[in-house]
Amino acid sequence: KNQVEQSPQSLIILEGKNCTLQCNYTVSPFSNLRWYKQDTGRGPVSLTIMTFSENTKSNGRYTATLDADTKQSSLHITASQLSDSASYICVVTRNTPLVFGKGTRLSVIA
Amino acid sequence: GAGVSQTPSNKVTEKGKYVELRCDPISGHTALYWYRQSLGQGPEFLIYFQGTGAADDSGLPNDRFFAVRPEGSVSTLKIQRTERGDSAVYLCASSSRAGSVEQYFGPGTRLTVT
Repeated sequence: KNQVEQSPQSLIILEGKNCTLQCNYTVSPFSNLRWYKQDTGRGPVSLTIMTFSENTKSNGRYTATLDADTKQSSLHITASQLSDSASYICVVTRNTPLVFGKGTRLSVIA
Repeated sequence: GAGVSQTPSNKVTEKGKYVELRCDPISGHTALYWYRQSLGQGPEFLIYFQGTGAADDSGLPNDRFFAVRPEGSVSTLKIQRTERGDSAVYLCASSSRAGSVEQYFGPGTRLTVT
């Protein structure tokens, strides 16, 4: 069983709308949780990094939340743009190696 | 360039051949990571270097895979006797140190084993 589960697997939204992506994890011990954006054919780019003591972090139109008790995180994207179309990957750090989810494929359409 | 670079961007090789994939990290970054990403999957950890030494190689799938970082900067991932199942994008990342700091990824090398 994957230690980092993401939902939905894929999502299509209209430009300008908001959306929320979910991440559940079982990784333990837990060091920090990261959200990455990966454009097709590119390496992942970091959006947010949260330690277990943080419960929210924003980066422009991206806001990540973390509930370390329930081991859940979400990434909220506000006022989506066409350029937001990408895979969004939840990553949990257990000591040094990163444990990646499979990602949510987001498509923003006009 | 200020980012992580990887060469080649694409590599096609025949089953059984040997390949080397190169990663140039951001200057001054002491930590370097290799990941493998199969189609439709998230990246999978392979090995992590702190300086010249492999601090954690628990993700290497078998002894056909080996990586070096002799001078603490450039790293080479080496795959012997390639198999079709090795086909994937191999990503390299670097960070200023290990721990809760941002990792910067390169564009990856797409390896295809025919």
